Order: sequence, then C-alpha cells, then structure tokens
Amino acid sequence: GAVVSQHPSWVICKSGTSVKIECRSLDFQATTMFWYRQFPKQSLMLMATSNEGSKATYEQGVEKDKFLINHASLTLSTLTVTSAHPEDSSFYICSARGSPGPNYGYTFGSGTRLTVV
Amino acid sequence: AQSVTQPDIHITVSEGASLELRCNYSYGATPYLFWYVQSPGQGLQLLLKYFSGDTLVQGIKGFEAEFKRSQSSFNLRKPSVHWSDAAEYFCAVGVNTGTASKLTFGTGTRLQVTL
Repeated sequence: GAVVSQHPSWVICKSGTSVKIECRSLDFQATTMFWYRQFPKQSLMLMATSNEGSKATYEQGVEKDKFLINHASLTLSTLTVTSAHPEDSSFYICSARGSPGPNYGYTFGSGTRLTVV
Repeated sequence: AQSVTQPDIHITVSEGASLELRCNYSYGATPYLFWYVQSPGQGLQLLLKYFSGDTLVQGIKGFEAEFKRSQSSFNLRKPSVHWSDAAEYFCAVGVNTGTASKLTFGTGTRLQVTL
C-alpha cells in the first residue's frame, strides 16, 4: 500500500533557529501534499496544501513566511519552521495524495514532534 | 463551509464490549467521509471511507461505519473491542474541488479500553 515517510520523528531546537521536516511518498507520486499541526489532545489543523511545482496554499491565519513549504518533486515536500519559538512547539503531520478526483487516497506520515527551547 | 462534530471527547469500554463512536457532519453536498485512528505520537491510519453506494462500510480491524444522510451522521462501530483498540479516533469529511481537495477533521474521541 501507499507509504509516506516523515522525518525526523522528533526534533529539539533552540529558539531562533530553523527546522526542516521532510515528507516523502515512497511508492507513489504525490501530486498533492498537506501539512497539519496538532496540539496536545486536539484535532489536526490544516496549515497548507501544496501541489508539485507550484506555490503552497496556506490556510487562514498561517504565516507563510514562518512556515515555508516546498514541493519540488512528486515524492518530496518539506516544511521549514523559520526562526522557531517555543509557541511553535507542536506535532506536525504531513499527508500525501496520489491523484485528484473523487478517489481519495490520503496517506499520512507518522508525524514530527517539534520542541523549541 | 464543512464541519465535523464528534460529541464524545472520551469513551471507556470494557474489552469485549461493543463500541459506537459518533460523528456528525455539515456539508452542502454529498460528503466523502473517513474514519482515522491515531496511536500516541503516531500519524493517522485510515480505518474506512465512504464515497457513495452501500451506506454500510466495512473497514480494517473489524470496524464498520454507517452513513445516514437524514441524520448527517457517520458513526463508527465495532462489535467487540480489543485492548489494542485504545487510541484516538478522528472522523473527517473530504471536500473535493478539483485540486483544492482537503480533509476537515473532528476534534477526536479518545477510546480507553478496560480489561
């Protein structure tokens, strides 16, 4: 079945530094990737949607200059948290979809726990 | 805009007992509906999905869900719960507008299983 690999699974960084999270589709071409943020004991909040080769579409309230998303190939999307601060600490999850249309095939990565100290 | 409501934040059942997790949605057109399960510190695993056709959908791990349009519901059921089913369960509605398709999640239901 479809597999999405997300790395790293956890990262601790100092305040003010940048962190990059990778999301790879291992056995299919991901035309669309999604990035979510999940606070403890809460639901997933969609941050942005990215289509290969085009700019990401950010949800309202998400700072595009802080959360940089790159989807340069059909198998890789990255989320870079720039100038991270403690309030950016969260669980970030990516999801990939192989094709548009009604035949949904969302596959989720295993998530990245980011702690900013 | 679409929305999903999971009224039960936390449910506790005994191992071997039956389970029903509630999900109500709001969407103007025919929805695409999903149930996902999340273990602590992990991503989401798809249990089942409904697009069209038979309103009773079978999924993995013995789960099933029934789409009831009149009640705007898509409740998840399992006849006999196992201790390994303890996890967080999310209901989601999919909106397909071509390339802008995306999922909207409910707030989740945490399932605890007692032995």
